[in-house]
Amino acid sequence: AQKVTQAQTEISVVEKEDVTLDCVYETRDTTYYLFWYKQPPSGELVFLIRRNSFDEQNEISGRYSWNFQKSTSSFNFTITASQVVDSAVYFCALPYNTGFQKLVFGTGTRLLVSP
Amino acid sequence: KAGVTQTPRYLIKTRGQQVTLSCSPISGHRSVSWYQQTPGQGLQFLFEYFSETQRNKGNFPGRFSGRQFSNSRSEMNVSTLELGDSALYLCASSRDRGRSDTQYFGPGTRLTVL
Repeated sequence: AQKVTQAQTEISVVEKEDVTLDCVYETRDTTYYLFWYKQPPSGELVFLIRRNSFDEQNEISGRYSWNFQKSTSSFNFTITASQVVDSAVYFCALPYNTGFQKLVFGTGTRLLVSP
Repeated sequence: KAGVTQTPRYLIKTRGQQVTLSCSPISGHRSVSWYQQTPGQGLQFLFEYFSETQRNKGNFPGRFSGRQFSNSRSEMNVSTLELGDSALYLCASSRDRGRSDTQYFGPGTRLTVL
């Protein structure tokens, strides 16, 4: 069965620090997709990135970057020069199975960025 | 393009009552999924609708039900509310129902059962 583990429950950093959020997943699928979402205090889950298991290249989007390593089943997320607005809960997710829309989420990592 | 909208945003009900939550997907999206989020259980899948048909259902009792209309709008209903139903209910839409399709979430409906 699909499983996503986010071992870091909460991380506190000071503004401008770099921070990495860990995500480890389990799947028997040979091809799969991975997602990251951000949940600010307002509650809405905001889509950040989708990654195909075929593509192991790192991805960078502004201050955000993602490191996907199939060999260790990890899909880690790094925020460079963190800002107060980055404070949120971040979720890593994996679709349940072929043809199913159900997402299996990790337990989330709460990031607190203080000024 | 407007995002996923959910109404109402907040609800307070008492035990035994029933409640209906509404979700309007992004224009052109045909798949709607519902999730329940609680501090203890995290994000849990409720059900998925596509072309007015429930395609998948999570491990929830029959008190939880839903439907999808021809315009892809969806409603979910919870009957005989229990205290444990207090949660944030999130609706997500996607263009299609493949596992590669990105789900976009609405702001949620926060339900409090007293």
